[in-house]
Amino acid sequence: AQSVAQPEDQVNVAEGNPLTVKCTYSVSGNPYLFWYVQYPNRGLQFLLKYITGDNLVKGSYGFEAEFNKSQTSFHLKKPSALVSDSALYFCAVRDMNSGGYQKVTFGTGTKLQVIP
Amino acid sequence: GAGVSQSPRYKVAKRGQDVALRCDPISGHVSLFWYQQALGQGPEFLTYFQNEAQLDKSGLPSDRFFAERPEGSVSTLKIQRTQQEDSAVYLCASSSVPTGGWEEQYFGPGTRLTVT
Repeated sequence: AQSVAQPEDQVNVAEGNPLTVKCTYSVSGNPYLFWYVQYPNRGLQFLLKYITGDNLVKGSYGFEAEFNKSQTSFHLKKPSALVSDSALYFCAVRDMNSGGYQKVTFGTGTKLQVIP
Repeated sequence: GAGVSQSPRYKVAKRGQDVALRCDPISGHVSLFWYQQALGQGPEFLTYFQNEAQLDKSGLPSDRFFAERPEGSVSTLKIQRTQQEDSAVYLCASSSVPTGGWEEQYFGPGTRLTVT
């Protein structure tokens, strides 16, 4: 079975400061890892993904995430937060060895609030 | 189309009524997914289609839930005899990749179902 944990329901950060949204995962094999963002009354938007290779993944809107296999983590980061980054962020995982189609498991989400 | 569209955006149903939720995926996308997102939770997988074939319906919570994609494009999620616990946002997503799991999914805005 696969699972994702986002330990923080909400993260508050001042505009211009670096931000981190935490995610840990559990899979039996190797993971595909994703971050999505959800703005109010809108569907989830893809930010970035880790498949293989470089542990530091860069994505949309200046976000990046670091895959750490030993800590089974995939934390989302941004060097300088913008007020417009305020949204709900979801981490997701799929076990690379889970079979022939794309069933993914999402975390419960972390609300990011960037304070002007 | 430019993105995944869903209709209606909002639906209020009285307990016991049947509802039908529609999803128009991105043109040419092979894979289509339905998710249920309860308030304050992440999306929960319901079912997956590859073209017109429903390859995984393990997430459907009961036999009151039924999904179809007869021509491999538009999909309908039907809920019979709605119950209050069915109240949630129903998300549709599509992907260009039939299998593999590494491809990101493109989400629609969702249908918010409220059962009274």
